Amino acid sequence: DAKTTQPPSMDCAEGRAANLPCNHSTISGNEYVYWYRQIHSQGPQYIIHGLKNNETNEMASLIITEDRKSSTLILPHATLRDTAVYYCIVRVWSFNKFYFGSGTKLNVKP
Amino acid sequence: EAQVTQNPRYLITVTGKKLTVTCSQNMNHEYMSWYRQDPGLGLRQIYYSMNVEVTDKGDVPEGYKVSRKEKRNFPLILESPSPNQTSLYFCASSLGGPNNEQFFGPGTRLTVL
Repeated sequence: DAKTTQPPSMDCAEGRAANLPCNHSTISGNEYVYWYRQIHSQGPQYIIHGLKNNETNEMASLIITEDRKSSTLILPHATLRDTAVYYCIVRVWSFNKFYFGSGTKLNVKP
Repeated sequence: EAQVTQNPRYLITVTGKKLTVTCSQNMNHEYMSWYRQDPGLGLRQIYYSMNVEVTDKGDVPEGYKVSRKEKRNFPLILESPSPNQTSLYFCASSLGGPNNEQFFGPGTRLTVL
């Protein structure tokens, strides 16, 4: 599986967009990019995933570069409840192991 | 409500005393998995199961056993727990395939003295 690299922490002002980057330079053509978040020590919560195209759902948007070597998770209007650790994961379709990495601690401030 | 449940949520035990952490899902998912989470190491996969009677090792399987006799249940067994297995454990399930997200349980905090 391709490994991912994320900044250890980021700050964001409440109400502003939070843009969380992820590098996955060794990603293969059949690997999906997934984003999860974990609030305190709760179970990780699925946010969004994509293969090649940009994706949007009610929680966030996922922007994947054309070469697929990096992606950005966008929370359009961050709230205090979005303070969490955000994990970027790549997943091989024929291989069911997952590598979560260290994630990015997002601090949303009033 | 669609969910993954784990029991117990908290457990303190002693070295060598066999224990089982149960995991159950009500979404008819084929794929189930166990993770442990330790400070500074993130989530690491212990075992996973593609379907009933099909299990395989993740990255840190030593000291653990699993079974998948029914689709909905995937218990994690520690035959002889040791202090280095003190951790936060998560069970997860999914429809399987690359295009389906995992649903995680609430976690089990285990302390082995």
